[in-house]
Amino acid sequence: EVQLVESGGVVVQPGGSLRLSCTTSGFTFDDYAMHWVRQAPGKGPEWVSLMTWDGSSTYYADSVKGRFTISRDNSRNSLFLQMNSLSAEDTALYYCARDIGGLDSSNYLDYWGQGTLVTVSS
Amino acid sequence: QSALTQPASVSGSPGQSITISCTATSSDVGNYNYVSWYQQHPGKAPKLMIYDVTDRPSGVSNRFSGSKSGNTASLTISGLQAEDEADYYCASYTSSSPVVFGGGTKLTVL
Repeated sequence: EVQLVESGGVVVQPGGSLRLSCTTSGFTFDDYAMHWVRQAPGKGPEWVSLMTWDGSSTYYADSVKGRFTISRDNSRNSLFLQMNSLSAEDTALYYCARDIGGLDSSNYLDYWGQGTLVTVSS
Repeated sequence: QSALTQPASVSGSPGQSITISCTATSSDVGNYNYVSWYQQHPGKAPKLMIYDVTDRPSGVSNRFSGSKSGNTASLTISGLQAEDEADYYCASYTSSSPVVFGGGTKLTVL
């Protein structure tokens, strides 16, 4: 069974930093590109970032470019999101999601975790 | 404002068919066949229902179908069931972003 479990979400002050983790199981992690998607309370999903299966390419939404960094550790079947210079606009439930395309990222997300909540507030 | 515009809400009675539209405000959808649809129940993660405009992932009911004409993609749900009540989001690859989501449509089953 494919499982993705996010962790690391907490309440953080504006300007602060946070590192989210996504631990996966049930599939060959290094065969898949992976994404982060966030969803602010009462809003729709917003794509955040993508990393290819081998980490050779990364992509970011304009809203987080220069502040967030995606990474992965294939030996630990894990995905990460380093978040810096946080503001209230970053408050959201953060999901990690698997790309259905495998080695060739398709930008379709077939498995999602349950999310970890990041709240930016003083 | 999203590059993909959806109606805020649609409704239908059990057994009926409904269609949710997703219109690109630019050429993002019209120039690509990389449209997908996600279903989200309250408190749950989104679920992929349609990809590549018309394809269904394994396990998704064939009551769900997708299509596209010009710059408008559509999701049709036939034989509406109470469990279909949820929020639905279209998404597309664009020249500036691997994934852009629409604003979402709330489906109410009357």
